[in-house]
Amino acid sequence: QVQLQESGPGLVKPSQTLSLTCTVSGGSISSGSYYWTWIRQPAGKGLEWIGRVYTTGSTNYSPSLKSRLTMSLDTSKNQLSLNLTSVTAADTAVYYCARGVTSGRYFFDSWGQGTLVTVSS
Amino acid sequence: QTVVTQEPSFSVSPGGTITLTCGLSSGSVSTSHYPSWYQQTPGQAPRTLIYSTNSRSSGVPDRLSGSILGNKAALTITGAQADDESNYYCVLYLGSGVWVFGGGTKLTVL
Repeated sequence: QVQLQESGPGLVKPSQTLSLTCTVSGGSISSGSYYWTWIRQPAGKGLEWIGRVYTTGSTNYSPSLKSRLTMSLDTSKNQLSLNLTSVTAADTAVYYCARGVTSGRYFFDSWGQGTLVTVSS
Repeated sequence: QTVVTQEPSFSVSPGGTITLTCGLSSGSVSTSHYPSWYQQTPGQAPRTLIYSTNSRSSGVPDRLSGSILGNKAALTITGAQADDESNYYCVLYLGSGVWVFGGGTKLTVL
């Protein structure tokens, strides 16, 4: 069974870059049956889809974050990464990585436990 | 900007039936949006319940079901139990590799 584990700094200063990694075990991120997604959740609020990266490296981002966001895969480490530039307090949230299913079903079948990132000086 | 709408809160009696809905700010939800539903309790990661409108994820009991009702996606819970008390989120696929979550429904069982 695939497992996902997010990691990264828990505290980022305003205007700096938020960088997170998601390590995948029990399955290959190179599998063409899946894509890899980041989702975030501010405290007490709902889920927000951030973006996805496919095994080819192609990406799709939320329009509201597109100008600040970069997602990529490192197949040698079986990891996906997220970089969000110029962060503000509004970017404070729990960040989840999730596996998405292709084959015309378009849903997220496995989730990491999430990692809290606080933007504060 | 596309907004996905959900009821902010709902309550149901133990053993009762409830239907949560998921709509679009403009237009109707169809199977082409591949609606999926997720359950989340505080402090936990979401759990996948329903995908592609009405397919249950592994281990999800058949008292949970998904459908399209009118112009919305729907999640129906029959025989509500105490551990159904959670937040429920729908997400719709808008095409071109973009998804949007609804704001979530807080379900209380009392």
